[in-house]
Amino acid sequence: DAKTTQPTSMDCAEGRAANLPCNHSTISGNEYVYWYRQIHSQGPQYIIHGLKNNETNEMASLIITEDRKSSTLILPHATLRDTAVYYCIVTATDSWGKLQFGAGTQVVVTP
Amino acid sequence: NAGVMQNPRHLVRRRGQEARLRCSPMKGHSHVYWYRQLPEEGLKFMVYLQKENIIDESGMPKERFSAEFPKEGPSILRIQQVVRGDSAAYFCASSPDTLRPQHFGDGTRLSIL
Repeated sequence: DAKTTQPTSMDCAEGRAANLPCNHSTISGNEYVYWYRQIHSQGPQYIIHGLKNNETNEMASLIITEDRKSSTLILPHATLRDTAVYYCIVTATDSWGKLQFGAGTQVVVTP
Repeated sequence: NAGVMQNPRHLVRRRGQEARLRCSPMKGHSHVYWYRQLPEEGLKFMVYLQKENIIDESGMPKERFSAEFPKEGPSILRIQQVVRGDSAAYFCASSPDTLRPQHFGDGTRLSIL
């Protein structure tokens, strides 16, 4: 059973910011929030992860609410190559690192 | 800096044959994970290995499936007496430890005739 809830799909215009929401209302104190994406026919690609502070890297920003029950992945300037299924995953530090994938959000970036 | 290498990329087997899927982790990574993605479904964890040890095989079918990660060489996922339901994409991921992100290969697509 997935511990996260994400919208099934969303569209985004090229060049605009894409904001991908994720609910994880049952998250525990020792669970991290990870984001991966899977472009068609490829393996999942790591994007970003965080525990409770907001995080930013060269790919995206991760905003986690203060109560940690939800988060938002932000792709600041979406390109056509960002079209993919995006997975929000929570995993505990004592779970050997194994990832539990849900259905994810299909993001389509349009010109 | 090579990523996770999986081979073959595509594998076709007839029912009853054996399938061997190989995974070479990234340099410096001693933790290997295998996942399976059935058609139109999400990825499911199968097994987690460290060098020469199976740590967690809770997601692996009890029959016909086995995995190893020897001291030398790639990790191997072995499926004996394959059936049509084994048709899927099998992904391998590696990490330097359980606290850092996993990096995935591009998978082996197994088709059973």
